[in-house]
Amino acid sequence: AQSVTQLGSHVSVSEGALVLLRCNYSSSVPPYLFWYVQYPNQGLQLLLKYTTGATLVKGINGFEAEFKKSETSFHLTKPSAHMSDAAEYFCAVSEASGTYKYIFGTGTRLKVLA
Amino acid sequence: DARVTQTPRHKVTEMGQEVTMRCQPILGHNTVFWYRQTMMQGLELLAYFRNRAPLDDSGMPKDRFSAEMPDATLATLKIQPSEPRDSAVYFCASGLNLINTEAFFGQGTRLTVV
Repeated sequence: AQSVTQLGSHVSVSEGALVLLRCNYSSSVPPYLFWYVQYPNQGLQLLLKYTTGATLVKGINGFEAEFKKSETSFHLTKPSAHMSDAAEYFCAVSEASGTYKYIFGTGTRLKVLA
Repeated sequence: DARVTQTPRHKVTEMGQEVTMRCQPILGHNTVFWYRQTMMQGLELLAYFRNRAPLDDSGMPKDRFSAEMPDATLATLKIQPSEPRDSAVYFCASGLNLINTEAFFGQGTRLTVV
């Protein structure tokens, strides 16, 4: 069964600094990987996804993530944090077989300091 | 602007009462998920449907929870009887063949059981 681990439930960065949110997955078959963002009192919205092909994927709001099979990782980065990036970020995995469950990590709350 | 609609947005009920949450998926989407979000457990997958058929409800307490899709435009999640530990935000998400495509989330139903 697949699973997702997000290291660090809370991350603080200064405005303009690099954002790095970590995600490691476990999957017995090739995974599909996603990052979602949740703003207060809102549902989740997709930031970016990896399915096949290029391992570096770009998403909305300047975020990108790199699929590293050897490290079973899919870390999310942004070169320069903005105050509006403060939110909770979720990594998710879906397996390309079986029941195609869509499983989320426990989330990382990003705080951006002025 | 297509979106997943959840009703009610907020519900306060007394312990022991029946609670029904409704979800209208985006027209044309054939996959519907129910998630529960709490501070302690994060996002838990309760159940999901494809083409109105339940594929997996292993995450749902069977003794009090039930999920159905009476038709393609309506998914329901029912709790009977409700307990204080059911207090959470319940999200519905829909998508088209949710293997590698985006899941669209509703804004959630915030349930408080007193």
